[in-house]
Amino acid sequence: AQTVTQSQPEMSVQEAETVTLSCTYDTSESDYYLFWYKQPPSRQMILVIRQEAYKQQNATENRFSVNFQKAAKSFSLKISDSQLGDAAMYFCAYRNRNRDDKIIFGKGTRLHILP
Amino acid sequence: GAGVSQSPSNKVTEKGKDVELRCDPISGHTALYWYRQSLGQGLEFLIYFQGNSAPDKSGLPSDRFSAERTGGSVSTLTIQRTQQEDSAVYLCASSLAGGASGGNIQYFGAGTRLSVL
Repeated sequence: AQTVTQSQPEMSVQEAETVTLSCTYDTSESDYYLFWYKQPPSRQMILVIRQEAYKQQNATENRFSVNFQKAAKSFSLKISDSQLGDAAMYFCAYRNRNRDDKIIFGKGTRLHILP
Repeated sequence: GAGVSQSPSNKVTEKGKDVELRCDPISGHTALYWYRQSLGQGLEFLIYFQGNSAPDKSGLPSDRFSAERTGGSVSTLTIQRTQQEDSAVYLCASSLAGGASGGNIQYFGAGTRLSVL
């Protein structure tokens, strides 16, 4: 069975600084997607970034980028120039590629932005 | 609609009562998912509907939980004889069908916060 582990329950970063959130996963599949979702106090899960496992190039979306290490099964999220609006719970997630399927989530990291 | 809509936003009920939670997916999305988020936890998969196929119920925690999806659109999650441990946020998501070709992103609603007293 696939699992997703986020070892940092909470993190803090100074506004405008850079922070990296860690995620590791376990799977026997070779083709899958990895995601980072953001959940602000409004509760709505918002997709931040998506990585396809067959692509070696790390995904980027504006201030958000990932470091995808397939052999190590590691998928960290880097947030550059942190803003107050980045404060939220961040969830790392996994889904098999070859079928519509449920997403498997980690337990999340709460990110605090210090002004 | 523009996004996934869930109702009610909050629900308080007494132990032993039945509750129904509603999810209205994005128009045209054939896949619909229910997840449960307990306090301080990640999301736990409950059930998945894809078109007219039999739903994947593998995540339902007990036979008190059931869900249906009428006309391939709106879905209702029903919890019978609620218990205090059922207190959680219940999130619904929808996505386009397509399997491997689309990398179908799941779009989430804002959830229903259920409190069982």
